[in-house]
Amino acid sequence: EAGVAQSPRYKIIEKRQSVAFWCNPISGHATLYWYQQILGQGPKLLIQFQNNGVVDDSQLPKDRFSAERLKGVDSTLKIQPAKLEDSAVYLCASSLHPNTEAFFGQGTRLTVV
Amino acid sequence: KNEVEQSPQNLTAQEGEFITINCSYSVGISALHWLQQHPGGGIVSLFMLSSGKKKHGRLIATINIQEKHSSLHITASHPRDSAVYICAVRSLTTGTASKLTFGTGTRLQVTL
Repeated sequence: EAGVAQSPRYKIIEKRQSVAFWCNPISGHATLYWYQQILGQGPKLLIQFQNNGVVDDSQLPKDRFSAERLKGVDSTLKIQPAKLEDSAVYLCASSLHPNTEAFFGQGTRLTVV
Repeated sequence: KNEVEQSPQNLTAQEGEFITINCSYSVGISALHWLQQHPGGGIVSLFMLSSGKKKHGRLIATINIQEKHSSLHITASHPRDSAVYICAVRSLTTGTASKLTFGTGTRLQVTL
């Protein structure tokens, strides 16, 4: 069974530029999560989708971050414009249902210079 | 105070040693996860448990719901076990808004 796929693996951008990350969850998984993990910290939930609807985006900085999952499968996370403090690993995870085991992708390491 | 606390933050062990990593949490939970993160960033789920004990190979996870505490044990540790081990709890809520809260991780280095 294929796991959660994310791309790109690494991205370096200058502050004030825009960047987008892509996630393809495990087939059939209705729940999709985006996490931000700053170096030395645990992952922090940015947004949770249930199919194509947003369940929780309370910690998403909506002035610069946006995410969508239009067809309830793939998802993109965008940052526009990026700040230095956005440097982190962005992890995508999916699960069959909200309270079942979550499977994580390899993450995208973003460096903002 | 963080909802999920792990100890120790860093751990160095020699190959073959028995290792214990602890996790304490302060909220009601429906499940607790132990995760492994290698330097590349990807996270692998090791265990999901809500009571008792689970074993997989050299890894053992236990949880005490009354004491709000879990431990991850590694027997006969090996350098390939070197990674960050993260405890995460799923809070007790209804509906689809239940979320995972993560500890800051324990960085384990196993040397020859």
